[in-house]
Amino acid sequence: DIQMTQSPSSLSASVGDRVTITCQASQDISNYLNWYQQKPGKAPKLLIYDASNLETGVPSRFSGSGSGTNFTVTISSLQPEDIATYFCQQFDNLPYSFGQGTKLEIK
Amino acid sequence: EVQLVESGGGLVQPGGSLRLSCTASGFTFSTYSMNWVRQAPGEGLEWVSYISSASTSKHYADFVKGRFTISRDNAKNSLYLQMTSLRAEDTAVFYCVRGGYDTWRWGQGTLVTVSS
Repeated sequence: DIQMTQSPSSLSASVGDRVTITCQASQDISNYLNWYQQKPGKAPKLLIYDASNLETGVPSRFSGSGSGTNFTVTISSLQPEDIATYFCQQFDNLPYSFGQGTKLEIK
Repeated sequence: EVQLVESGGGLVQPGGSLRLSCTASGFTFSTYSMNWVRQAPGEGLEWVSYISSASTSKHYADFVKGRFTISRDNAKNSLYLQMTSLRAEDTAVFYCVRGGYDTWRWGQGTLVTVSS
C-alpha cells in the first residue's frame, strides 16, 4: 500500500505570505496526485489534479508541482479565505490513500 | 454539472447494519468508476471502497473487508454501500466520490453515527 506523508501538519502564516505544503509518496505515483481544500462542515474541494493542473474556478494563487514521490502545493499570497485544511491524495494504485492533512491558520 | 447526492445515513447501534445510497447526475454514470471515502469527526480522509464502471472490479480497505459491500445500478445512476457489523469507530461522514484515472468529484456526504 502507498503511504502519503504530508507536512507540516499545521501551519500559521500571515496574509500575503507565500505558503508551501509538501506531500511525499512511499513509492512512485507518477503524477496521479490530487490536492484538496476542506473547510469545516464541507466536503473536500478539488484544487489541483494530476499534480499540477489547476481545477476550473480555483484562484491562480494556487499552484501544484512534483512527480514521482515528491509533491508540493503553493499559495503565492495567502488570503483570509484560504484558511482551511489541505489534503493530498494518490490515485495511482488501490487502495487509494490520503495525506493526514495540513491545517492552515492565519497568524 | 456533476452532482452526487448521498442518503441513508443515521444513528445505528453497534453491530447493526445500514445501507448508503448515492444518486449521480450530470455525467454518464455507467462509464466512471466510483468510491466511498469516509471522515471520522475531527479526523482525516479515509478511502473505503472502489467499484469499476461495470462492477467487474471491487476493492475494500482492510478495516471494512467482510463487513461492507459496494454495488451499483447503472440503470438507476446509483451507487450503494451496504454496511454490516458496524462499530463505534465507523462513525463518520461518508462521501460518494467519482474517481479513478480521471477528475475526482465529491458528494456532500452523509453522516453515520454508531452508538448505543
